[in-house]
Amino acid sequence: SYELTQPPSVSVSPGQTARITCSGDALPKKYAYWYQQKSGQAPVLVIYEDNKRPSGIPERFFGSRSGTMATLTISGAQVEDEADYYCYSTDTGDNRRGVFGGGSKLTVV
Amino acid sequence: QVRLVQSGAEVKKPGASVKVSCTASGYTLTGHYMHWVRQAPGQGLEWMGWIKPQSGDINYAQKFWGRVTMTRDTSISTAYMELSRLTSDDTAVYYCARDEGSGWYPDYWGQGTLVTVSS
Repeated sequence: SYELTQPPSVSVSPGQTARITCSGDALPKKYAYWYQQKSGQAPVLVIYEDNKRPSGIPERFFGSRSGTMATLTISGAQVEDEADYYCYSTDTGDNRRGVFGGGSKLTVV
Repeated sequence: QVRLVQSGAEVKKPGASVKVSCTASGYTLTGHYMHWVRQAPGQGLEWMGWIKPQSGDINYAQKFWGRVTMTRDTSISTAYMELSRLTSDDTAVYYCARDEGSGWYPDYWGQGTLVTVSS
């Protein structure tokens, strides 16, 4: 089955740039999406269609995709950005079956 | 504003079934697909499938074929996810999540429903 691979953890100091990667063989042809999940809460969409920010998401969140890798960049990470981040995409082909990456724990300390 | 309100926590015995509901407000249920996603304790998100409320069309993850049934009642703006033949591995928080439109990605999420499977 199709998989998206993320690093388990990323750690930065406040104000630094955090980068979380997501790799998958179908990403050259499929959009990537990113969700933020804080402890005990439901996920929140922070990036859609590779690099678009939903209304209300701070401008420090930036998404990009190149080849088989998508990247979520948080410029000037804040303590409140500490959370689990999941990439999401759809399976190869046109079946629109979703798949999540394993998640990356971002620590800002 | 878009709101998805899910049913309360459930405790089930192995082999039983569970049916979780998700009531939508702030938009028309039939205008957006509905995804179901689960998260086992301390684990990541797992996509289970979606339903197109307008037609009832479904798209399940292969892992759940034969055990999951997604339905809807448009008269009360509610989607349902039923999972059968439960085992302890099905202990998880189950989320409904509205699709942006045509089954490509979830945008708004419900609060989650904890399903515990225990003898």
